[in-house]
Amino acid sequence: EAGVVQSPRYKIIEKKQPVAFWCNPISGHNTLYWYLQNLGQGPELLIRYENEEAVDDSQLPKDRFSAERLKGVDSTLKIQPAELGDSAVYLCASSLQMYNEQFFGPGTRLTVL
Amino acid sequence: GQQLNQSPQSMFIQEGEDVSMNCTSSSIFNTWLWYKQDPGEGPVLLIALYKAGELTSNGRLTAQFGITRKDSFLNISASIPSDVGIYFCAGPNTPGGNTGKLIFGQGTTLQVKP
Repeated sequence: EAGVVQSPRYKIIEKKQPVAFWCNPISGHNTLYWYLQNLGQGPELLIRYENEEAVDDSQLPKDRFSAERLKGVDSTLKIQPAELGDSAVYLCASSLQMYNEQFFGPGTRLTVL
Repeated sequence: GQQLNQSPQSMFIQEGEDVSMNCTSSSIFNTWLWYKQDPGEGPVLLIALYKAGELTSNGRLTAQFGITRKDSFLNISASIPSDVGIYFCAGPNTPGGNTGKLIFGQGTTLQVKP
């Protein structure tokens, strides 16, 4: 069974540029999560989807971050414009149903210059 | 908000030694999850605990759900070099809640000397 797939694995951009991350969850997992992980810290939830509905986006900085999961499978997380402080690892996770064990992808390491 | 405190923050041990780390909270958790993260990779689920007092093993790893429901322990027996990484505990953000939001500890970094 394939795991959670994320792309790109690495991204380097200049500040004020837009950037997008893509996630394909484990087949059959209807719950999808985007996490932010800063260096030396544990992941922190940005947004959670149940199928195509965002059911918890309270931690998402909505002035510059947006996410979508149009068909309830793949998801895209976007930052526009990026700031220096956005440099971090962006992790995608999925689970069979809300609150079950969450399985993580390899993450996208973003560097904003 | 809820916080999970992991200790020790880091460990440097000799190959073959046993390792013990723990995770504590000021509030009750109904689930404890233990993850391992290798450099440049996402966290990998090691063990999930759902019942107070539960003791669960996965190979050389054993984790326990504390009786008070405010702590959990992870033990690694006979450590090997590939055990190197960061170990995170995690649990749901509200006691008994079902919000799907995991709170993570700050991690315990393990280094193993061959």
